[in-house]
Order: sequence, then C-alpha cells, then structure tokens
Amino acid sequence: KQEVTQIPAALSVPEGENLVLNCSFTDSAIYNLQWFRQDPGKGLTSLLLIQSSQREQTSGRLNASLDKSSGRSTLYIAASQPGDSATYLCAVSHISNFGNEKLTFGTGTRLTIIP
Amino acid sequence: NAGVTQTPKFRILKIGQSMTLQCTQDMNHNYMYWYRQDPGMGLKLIYYSVGAGITDKGEVPNGYNVSRSTTEDFPLRLELAAPSQTSVYFCASSYSKIGGQFFGPGTRLTVL
Repeated sequence: KQEVTQIPAALSVPEGENLVLNCSFTDSAIYNLQWFRQDPGKGLTSLLLIQSSQREQTSGRLNASLDKSSGRSTLYIAASQPGDSATYLCAVSHISNFGNEKLTFGTGTRLTIIP
Repeated sequence: NAGVTQTPKFRILKIGQSMTLQCTQDMNHNYMYWYRQDPGMGLKLIYYSVGAGITDKGEVPNGYNVSRSTTEDFPLRLELAAPSQTSVYFCASSYSKIGGQFFGPGTRLTVL
C-alpha cells in the first residue's frame, strides 16, 4: 500500500531564508509526483508536477526534485516571503490495489514565514 | 477558463438529510475526481470518473453516489447524511491519468 509522509508537520522560518520541504513515499512505482499549495479554507493549487522519468522541475523560486529509487522528493523555496505561508501537500500518482490509477496525498507541511 | 467550480461553498445538514454537491469543469478533461479532506488527514478519494458514463469507487465510497452524464459535470450525492460525513469536499479534474490534477475551491459540509 502506498503511503506518503511529510515531515515536519509545521515549519516556521524568517523571511528571506531558503528552505526545503520533504516528502517520502513507500512504493517507487509511480506515474508522477505533484506538489500543491493550500491556503486556509481554500482549495489546492498545483505548484509543480514531476513525471516519473524526470529528476526535477522548476517554477520561479520553486524547485522540486524526485528520487524514485529512494522514495523521496523535496520542494526547495528560495528567498522565502510572507506570501509563501501556506500548507504544502505532496501527492503521488500510482496504481491502486484495485488496478486503477489514484493519487495518494501526504498530510502536508504547514509553513509560516516570519516577517 | 473558470477551471473547476464547486457549489455550494458551505452547507449545514441535519442527520438523514440528502444533498448534491455540484462540480463543473470547462477544460474538457476526461478524468474527474471527488476527495474528502479531514483535519490532520490526507485527502481521500471517494469516487472518480474516466469519462462520461463511466464512474468507479475510490477508497471511501460508502454513503456517496456519483453520476457522469456529461464531460463537464460530476455531481456527488449524499443520500442519508451522517456526522461522519462532516468534511471538506474537493472536486478535481485532469486531462489524462498521468497529467496533473486541477482542484476546485472545495465545499465545507457540516452534518449535525
């Protein structure tokens, strides 16, 4: 059974610092891994999608890496800003026990950027 | 494009009542999904659809039903609401099963 873990559950850093969020998954047979951002009381916004054949994706100040063999992904945020404060979720796309494709989510890391 | 839209944003139900959560996407995506998000838990898949007329169960389908008569719409039906169905419900869509999923803003449902 695929399990996705995000540690820590919460993180506070001063504005301007670079930071790394971690995601680990137990089954390396994945189609892709996606990082989302969720603001309080809001839906999920897709940040980056890494296909299983890729090693990393970049968008602005965000860089996501994928190491399938070790079951790990990191989301790197450069020069953090207060507007980056949100919960960050990672999710892996894989085949379920029933043979259909599904997305398994981690429980997220709540990030607070201190001005 | 409006993307994925959901209505209502909030709803309070009494035990035993029924309701339909609406989801519409205007991106011509074949794949659509319903998730629930409970505090401290990851999102759990309720039902999904790979195209009009085709639906299938996810991890937590009990107490829910879906239909997919058009590509755009994927409503979720609660027939006999129970307190355990208090949650935030998200609808999502994707172009393919390995493409990224786009999420709606969610419906916050409370069953008292």
